[in-house]
Amino acid sequence: KAGVTQTPRYLIKTRGQQVTLSCSPISGHRSVSWYQQTPGQGLQFLFEYFSETQRNKGNFPGRFSGRQFSNSRSEMNVSTLELGDSALYLCASSLASLAGAGGELFFGEGSRLTVL
Amino acid sequence: QQQVKQSPQSLIVQKGGISIINCAYENTAFDYFPWYQQFPGKGPALLIAIRPDVSEKKEGRFTISFNKSAKQFSLHIMDSQPGDSATYFCAASIKGQAGTALIFGKGTTLSVSS
Repeated sequence: KAGVTQTPRYLIKTRGQQVTLSCSPISGHRSVSWYQQTPGQGLQFLFEYFSETQRNKGNFPGRFSGRQFSNSRSEMNVSTLELGDSALYLCASSLASLAGAGGELFFGEGSRLTVL
Repeated sequence: QQQVKQSPQSLIVQKGGISIINCAYENTAFDYFPWYQQFPGKGPALLIAIRPDVSEKKEGRFTISFNKSAKQFSLHIMDSQPGDSATYFCAASIKGQAGTALIFGKGTTLSVSS
């Protein structure tokens, strides 16, 4: 069974640009969550989608947005990039809508974004 | 109240030794406490998890100890091996609550020296 696939793996952008990251969950998984990982802050929750609906959103500005398609694939977008947006963006999929239902999160290898 | 505080930030242990990583939380509604392991260049992967109705869970060399009254839980790695060198994250969430998310600690980088 294929794991969670994230593209692109690496990208470099300049301040003010926007970026779109893509995530393909494990087949059969309908929940996709996004996390931002930085050395100082660890893993911070961005949002979760289940059946094309955003179920929860973390404490990030509106520049961060996402969506989920009918095939469960998800994208996240960051507009007007800032230097502080440089991070590893991780996507995770799970069977259940809520991670707290005991469902395991399966993470991809992430998309490393560098903002210059 | 939604934070999970993890310590230490980094840890160096001799091969064969015991690695101990601690986490504390405030929100008593948390009822699912997993530990994730992350190797460089990889995403985190579930290592072991516990619910508050038990005080300890063991899987091979990995043990979670849970103290509900102190709102603390810890990961013990017995007979630590160089292959255990990774970053470990504790986490917490609330079962069945709409809009819940898995809240992670800031991670502990473990180095096991041979």
